[in-house]
Amino acid sequence: EVQLVESGGNLVQPGGSLRLSCTASGFVFSSFAMAWVRQAPGRGLEWVLHIDSSGNIIYSADFVKGRFTISRDNAKSALYLQMSSLRAEDTAVYYCTRETMVTTGGFDPWGQGTLVTVSS
Amino acid sequence: QAGLTQPPSVSKDLRQTATLTCTGNNNNVGDQGASWLQQHQGRPPKLLSYRDNNRPSGISERFSASRSGHTASLTISGLQPEDEADYYCSAWDSSLGVWVFGGGTKLTVL
Repeated sequence: EVQLVESGGNLVQPGGSLRLSCTASGFVFSSFAMAWVRQAPGRGLEWVLHIDSSGNIIYSADFVKGRFTISRDNAKSALYLQMSSLRAEDTAVYYCTRETMVTTGGFDPWGQGTLVTVSS
Repeated sequence: QAGLTQPPSVSKDLRQTATLTCTGNNNNVGDQGASWLQQHQGRPPKLLSYRDNNRPSGISERFSASRSGHTASLTISGLQPEDEADYYCSAWDSSLGVWVFGGGTKLTVL
């Protein structure tokens, strides 16, 4: 069974940092591009970052502006999101998701998400 | 980064057909096509279709997607109570090099 499990979400103060992890299983992790997508409470989905299968090509949303970085360890089947200079508006559930085998086809499956709360 | 445009809400009767729309531009939906996601309250999204009308395994044939120009559509036939959910479209914008999402449509089955 294809599975994505996020971890690392927590309550963090404004200006703080946090590292999210996503552990993949049930598929050849190194063959797929991956992404982080977030969802603020009561809001819609918002794409954050995308990384290709080798980890060499990264795309990011404008609001990231160097605050967030995405990385992966194919040997560990793991995806990471390093977040810094966190703001209240970064409060959201962060989902790890896999791009379809068809490039730019969409994302499937999605993890259960991990909640990041930025508050003093 | 402008997102895709979806109507905030749609209401339809049980067993009827609902058509949800998603409007982008020639650099995203019009170029790469769109994918559709279903999200029930408190649950992660689930992919319903990708590249306009390709369904992942296990997705009911009641869900059918299409595209005309830079507007994508998701048609749900024979509406069931479990179809009540939020529906999102997404597409790759080849000009901006970003993924864009629609704001989501809340489908109510009456």
